[in-house]
Amino acid sequence: QAVVTQEPSLTVSPGGTVTLTCGSSTGGVTSGHYPHWFQQKPGQAPRTLIYDTSKKHSWTPARFSGSLLGGKAALTLSGAQPEDEAEYYCLLSYSGARVFGGGTKLTVL
Amino acid sequence: QVQLVQSGAEVKKPGASVKVSCKASGYTFTSYYMHWVRQAPGQGLEWMGIINPSGGSTTYAQKLQGRVTMTRDTSTSTVYMELSSLRSEDTAVYYCARGWPNWFDTWGQGTLVTVSS
Repeated sequence: QAVVTQEPSLTVSPGGTVTLTCGSSTGGVTSGHYPHWFQQKPGQAPRTLIYDTSKKHSWTPARFSGSLLGGKAALTLSGAQPEDEAEYYCLLSYSGARVFGGGTKLTVL
Repeated sequence: QVQLVQSGAEVKKPGASVKVSCKASGYTFTSYYMHWVRQAPGQGLEWMGIINPSGGSTTYAQKLQGRVTMTRDTSTSTVYMELSSLRSEDTAVYYCARGWPNWFDTWGQGTLVTVSS
């Protein structure tokens, strides 16, 4: 099974910008992997932020954006808020299988 | 609004089976698929499989093939996930999430399943 890799942890200053990435052991990530990004806060269910690389749900704050960057999927947070401190997971689709990354713990400090 | 309400916490012995339910409301039940995802304590997310409530077709994660069964009851807009031959490593919070094969949106609140002798 493919392995999906994420940075274990990142720190961003309030109001700052940070990019989280999501790579695949099988090669470059493309739109055909339908990259998703999820946010999970302690004790809560995950929440879907981004689907199909860059599309947002109605509840996704405008400061989050998704893209493909250097062969990886990327989640960029512009203007970080204290409430953005959370674990972020990406997910990639592979011919019937879906694989989550290990998660990135984002600290806003 | 779209809501997914899952059944309550379960404690099971090794070797037993567990069946978790996910009751949908606020949308046409057969128009969306349902994913199941689990999360062991302090660990990341693991995709378990997907069911199409319209016809009942399923796709399971290879790792769980033979132990997991997903079903649905269209009369009550409920999907079920049954996991058999439970072992301690199956202790986790189990989530349902609405979507399509390559799309997720709303998640249930989660169901804690504890496997312990």
